Amino acid sequence: GENVEQHPSTLSVQEGDSAVIKCTYSDSASNYFPWYKQELGKRPQLIIDIRSNVGEKKDQRIAVTLNKTAKHFSLHITETQPEDSAVYFCAAPRERTSGSARQLTFGSGTQLTVLP
Amino acid sequence: GAGVSQSPSNKVTEKGKDVELRCDPISGHTALYWYRQSLGQGLEFLIYFQGNSAPDKSGLPSDRFSAERTGGSVSTLTIQRTQQEDSAVYLCASSWGGSDTQYFGPGTRLTVL
Repeated sequence: GENVEQHPSTLSVQEGDSAVIKCTYSDSASNYFPWYKQELGKRPQLIIDIRSNVGEKKDQRIAVTLNKTAKHFSLHITETQPEDSAVYFCAAPRERTSGSARQLTFGSGTQLTVLP
Repeated sequence: GAGVSQSPSNKVTEKGKDVELRCDPISGHTALYWYRQSLGQGLEFLIYFQGNSAPDKSGLPSDRFSAERTGGSVSTLTIQRTQQEDSAVYLCASSWGGSDTQYFGPGTRLTVL
């Protein structure tokens, strides 16, 4: 919802290891949770999203899990590669939104560095 | 097809001057969003448009900020009497009206001296 907290702010892993980034949200009515990747100097790009009717979604080396009871969701990257190095942002719908378009509140971002 | 484009890519201005930032959404996208990203920070929502109307302007940081959208396409974000704290990257995104996925532009880096 309107308050989205993201941890950690920085994360360094060895190539081939896994990386996990967590976000919590405040609005229990939130039903859509995207993750964006932003490489240095480039625009944010959607890498995976999950809706509240499922608990996990996978796409190759990337997965997202959702715990509605605890109001948190996590991004999991397995077998990390140097090209995974970027800033990752989670997001959740803004509270008190109006109109049909999806408005999002973003987390503060996690700088992931994959060390070769 | 062409993605979201923004102009200028960089803008340096003096404190007190007005600036206009432009966003061209993906053709056919009815929803358009403006965000601000300060150095090392997350994305701060500013305003969004559904068609030409902006149902929610509560994210604009002050009355020096305004935005408009014409013809359901191009949008302009205007900052009047710029201040140094306005320095940031201003990102625009667009989406189909009923879609959740937002596609971002490359941003405009604004520097207020």
